[in-house]
Amino acid sequence: EAGVVQSPRYKIIEKKQPVAFWCNPISGHNTLYWYRQNLGQGPELLIRYENEEAVDDSQLPKDRFSAERLKGVDSTLKIQPAELGDSAVYLCASSGTSGSTTGELFFGEGSRLTVL
Amino acid sequence: DAKTTQPPSMDCAEGRAANLPCNHSTISGNEYVYWYRQIHSQGPQYIIHGLKNNETNEMASLIITEDRKSSTLILPHATLRDTAVYYCIVRVLGNAGNMLTFGGGTRLMVKP
Repeated sequence: EAGVVQSPRYKIIEKKQPVAFWCNPISGHNTLYWYRQNLGQGPELLIRYENEEAVDDSQLPKDRFSAERLKGVDSTLKIQPAELGDSAVYLCASSGTSGSTTGELFFGEGSRLTVL
Repeated sequence: DAKTTQPPSMDCAEGRAANLPCNHSTISGNEYVYWYRQIHSQGPQYIIHGLKNNETNEMASLIITEDRKSSTLILPHATLRDTAVYYCIVRVLGNAGNMLTFGGGTRLMVKP
């Protein structure tokens, strides 16, 4: 079974440029999460989707960040314009019915963003 | 979700048991203890979880004290590939859609 797939793995851009990250969750998982991980710290939740609905986006900086999950499957996280402080690893995770009883989230390998 | 306290780093000799402590003195009765680990350049990976009883699976054992205020993750025979950051998380099952709140974790270095 394929795991959570993210792309790109690495992205280097100059500040003020836009960037987008893509996530394909595990098939059948209805809950999708985007986390941001700064260097040396634990991941922090940005947004959580239940199917196509964003049910928790309180930590998403809405002035420059946006996310969508069309058709309740793949998701895209966008930053426009990027700032130096956005340099981080962006992690996508998903959980399904089994996750609701075990609490297990499945993470992708992440997309490492460097803003110059 | 209750806050956890973990040592920032630990060393362990290869082949020996790695015992990673976690303090969660404000844990509520319906909160579970979860452990995840993150190997360099990868996403976090689920290891084990428990409520009251000790748990064991193919990866590790989880020992929870009787008062549930602390726990220990045990890797019985650590290998070099167990070098990673280990996160202890406490949360209510079904709370906020299984959202995980990560702290700083313990960086375990397994040495030859």
